[in-house]
Amino acid sequence: DADVTQTPRNRITKTGKRIMLECSQTKGHDRMYWYRQDPGLGLRLIYYSFDVKDINKGEISDGYSVSRQAQAKFSLSLESAIPNQTALYFCATSYGAEAGELFFGEGSRLTVL
Amino acid sequence: GQNIDQPTEMTATEGAIVQINCTYQTSGFNGLFWYQQHAGEAPTFLSYNVLDGLEEKGRFSSFLSRSKGYSYLLLKELQMKDSASYLCAVRDPWSNYQLIWGAGTKLIIKP
Repeated sequence: DADVTQTPRNRITKTGKRIMLECSQTKGHDRMYWYRQDPGLGLRLIYYSFDVKDINKGEISDGYSVSRQAQAKFSLSLESAIPNQTALYFCATSYGAEAGELFFGEGSRLTVL
Repeated sequence: GQNIDQPTEMTATEGAIVQINCTYQTSGFNGLFWYQQHAGEAPTFLSYNVLDGLEEKGRFSSFLSRSKGYSYLLLKELQMKDSASYLCAVRDPWSNYQLIWGAGTKLIIKP
């Protein structure tokens, strides 16, 4: 089983719908991240969390929200999805005071029609 | 601004050596990372440099020159399974130590 698990792996939805992507990890890491990946662009950080009570915005947080329900769970929500949020989303974890080696989930491919 | 540049695509022959370059301009620097990403899969960590010089790990080596804002990933004895995208990322203390990512270099290995 994967150490970092994302659900769903694939989702097609319509503009205006609320979508939640979930991430859970068994690595025992304190830090969790949500990235999106678009063709021709680098990974872009949406939100990150250092622990359950510490949530931080990344470079592209507009239109997204997150919830850190437990140390092992970090979910990403799109309150009202729009087509330009069509992308591959990755959850990642790391351990320690600095963003060192990241461990990625398998990705969630979201298509907004 | 933050900028990480890598070639978009490179082609090499099985058994050969290839060097993938990465240049960066960031507000600060606290380490450079290389990740490998096979098509449709998650990125996986390859190497980390924080001091100038060469770090070797099996068939893969990574070099860093902080004064030049430059790194390269060297892959030796190329195998077909090395066909993947290679992502360069810089850890920036001015961005709360988060990673700033390049767009990646797609490496195609031909027999």
